[in-house]
Amino acid sequence: DGGITQSPKYLFRKEGQNVTLSCEQNLNHDAMYWYRQDPGQGLRLIYYSQIVNDFQKGDIAEGYSVSREKKESFPLTVTSAQKNPTAFYLCASSMNRGRNSPLHFGNGTRLTVT
Amino acid sequence: KQEVTQIPAALSVPEGENLVLNCSFTDSAIYNLQWFRQDPGKGLTSLLLIQSSQREQTSGRLNASLDKSSGRSTLYIAASQPGDSATYLCAVPDLYNFNKFYFGSGTKLNVKP
Repeated sequence: DGGITQSPKYLFRKEGQNVTLSCEQNLNHDAMYWYRQDPGQGLRLIYYSQIVNDFQKGDIAEGYSVSREKKESFPLTVTSAQKNPTAFYLCASSMNRGRNSPLHFGNGTRLTVT
Repeated sequence: KQEVTQIPAALSVPEGENLVLNCSFTDSAIYNLQWFRQDPGKGLTSLLLIQSSQREQTSGRLNASLDKSSGRSTLYIAASQPGDSATYLCAVPDLYNFNKFYFGSGTKLNVKP
């Protein structure tokens, strides 16, 4: 079955360390996204990529970095510059073939930084 | 800027009841609206996408309606079951950048056995 795989499900890091979250999709989708979800807040867009080797900042890109070397993969690095990195991170994808392409999500990675 | 609101934030109903979840948006010029379900600690599962030219979309016991002029969408769940307990979110794409979406904060539904 096609889908989006995020790994690991839980991630623990010490403050000051960079950490990379994995996102892989086999839906053949062009667009991929990273969102952050915090209790009591809606989803906030970190980065998105419409095609390979291209990505754009979302609303809260500071302290994060991404790459899109392959269509299937869109890893997110949370750097030590991110002031409050503990959160639930969601990766999503869409066909990017017009305005009625539905979003599909992975199962998320919960990052805890102490 | 589009704002999406879901009220109430939480809802508790007995099993078997029909219920309606609400989603409001401030800018009526939308291309579509998507409903999602999120179980605790999991990602979002797409339930229905209703295009701006449509009034309703149905999937099993779920029916989504869209009234652009009033800035509202509703998700109707028939004969609710405990397994329907989850948080339900709605989202609309940005009018000029369809890679950006505006999400509501969700309605947490509890269906009591």
